[in-house]
Amino acid sequence: EAGVAQSPRYKIIEKRQSVAFWCNPISGHATLYWYQQILGQGPKLLIQFQNNGVVDDSQLPKDRFSAERLKGVDSTLKIQPAKLEDSAVYLCASSLRRDSPLHFGNGTRLTVT
Amino acid sequence: AQSVTQLDSQVPVFEEAPVELRCNYSSSVSVYLFWYVQYPNQGLQLLLKYLSGSTLVESINGFEAEFNKSQTSFHLRKPSVHISDTAEYFCAVSHTGGFKTIFGAGTRLFVKA
Repeated sequence: EAGVAQSPRYKIIEKRQSVAFWCNPISGHATLYWYQQILGQGPKLLIQFQNNGVVDDSQLPKDRFSAERLKGVDSTLKIQPAKLEDSAVYLCASSLRRDSPLHFGNGTRLTVT
Repeated sequence: AQSVTQLDSQVPVFEEAPVELRCNYSSSVSVYLFWYVQYPNQGLQLLLKYLSGSTLVESINGFEAEFNKSQTSFHLRKPSVHISDTAEYFCAVSHTGGFKTIFGAGTRLFVKA
């Protein structure tokens, strides 16, 4: 089966600019997650979707971050405006059900200068 | 709220020696437990999982972990490591409602010849 696809792989922007990341989960996976992984730390959950509804976004900085999952398939994560502390790897993951293990994409490495 | 603590940030070990990577969690509800591995220049992938049943779970490459409810631990062990086991290992927990898989900070295992 095809894995979780993410793009772009790398992105460099200046602070106060905006950026968007795209994720295509494994076909048939109902649950989709966005994680932020800062260098030297474990992945931190930003938002979890079940189909196209939000299950948890308690750690998403909603003043600058937004995410959507159109038609319960692809998802986009946006940052506007970016800050220096947003420099991290943004990981997308999907799972068949909420209680299934996660399958991760290769991530997008964001550098904010 | 759930949390995961990985007690060692780095574990250096010689090839063919045994290793234990420690993980403790806290949760007020029943949990599922996971170990994920990230090999150099690769994405996160599932190593093993505990959902229910036998408290001792095994991976295909010789790792095992034991769920200890009284000590709220899920330590990862291997009796004899190989150079190819060099990677970062993440312990993760989600509650049985299927929400919010939370990751520890990771343990970097470095196997020396």
